[in-house]
Amino acid sequence: DSGVTQTPKHLITATGQRVTLRCSPRSGDLSVYWYQQSLDQGLQFLIQYYNGEERAKGNILERFSAQQFPDLHSELNLSSLELGDSALYFCASSPRLGRGVPDTQYFGPGTRLTVL
Amino acid sequence: GENVEQHPSTLSVQEGDSAVIKCTYSDSASNYFPWYKQELGKRPQLIIDIRSNVGEKKDQRIAVTLNKTAKHFSLHITETQPEDSAVYFCAASLGIQGAQKLVFGQGTRLTINP
Repeated sequence: DSGVTQTPKHLITATGQRVTLRCSPRSGDLSVYWYQQSLDQGLQFLIQYYNGEERAKGNILERFSAQQFPDLHSELNLSSLELGDSALYFCASSPRLGRGVPDTQYFGPGTRLTVL
Repeated sequence: GENVEQHPSTLSVQEGDSAVIKCTYSDSASNYFPWYKQELGKRPQLIIDIRSNVGEKKDQRIAVTLNKTAKHFSLHITETQPEDSAVYFCAASLGIQGAQKLVFGQGTRLTINP
């Protein structure tokens, strides 16, 4: 157990809908990262937040957005869902602002999203 | 941007033999190289990582080597056991002022045959 929690574990929804995935980082970790894992695209970085501020962005679609709250939990919002959004969504956390020295990232158990 | 290539995509070895997985990266400024193990339906689990100020790191049966000149790094697993069967991912990262994104290789499915 990494100490990172994610809810829900599974989510089944229809095309065009909107969902919210939730992540709680390890105690004391200030950075949260979101990744998408699909069969054809592998593990893809989406976005990073540090202490409430966006720090790095990957290939995140405009239909997707995220935020980190004052208690450091994070939410990933996916809207206008398409079949191709079906994937495992992982959250990871790391302890501190690296200042050029990357931190170890610890992954949560993931949320499996199925869009029908 | 950074690109990471991982080979082979599948690897099958006899129990007790060694397994080697290789990765190359494109951005010479990358300075952090972790390896993750992922079992089916589970989270990626860090097994070892190396930072660019060292060339080799070992943890029991697992070792990672880094060649910054050639921009490649490798995972070595010795005395393989059935529980080593999983998908292994390499990744490369550059941390700039706290911004950090891991770019992953496509994964290697390792099967240990008893």
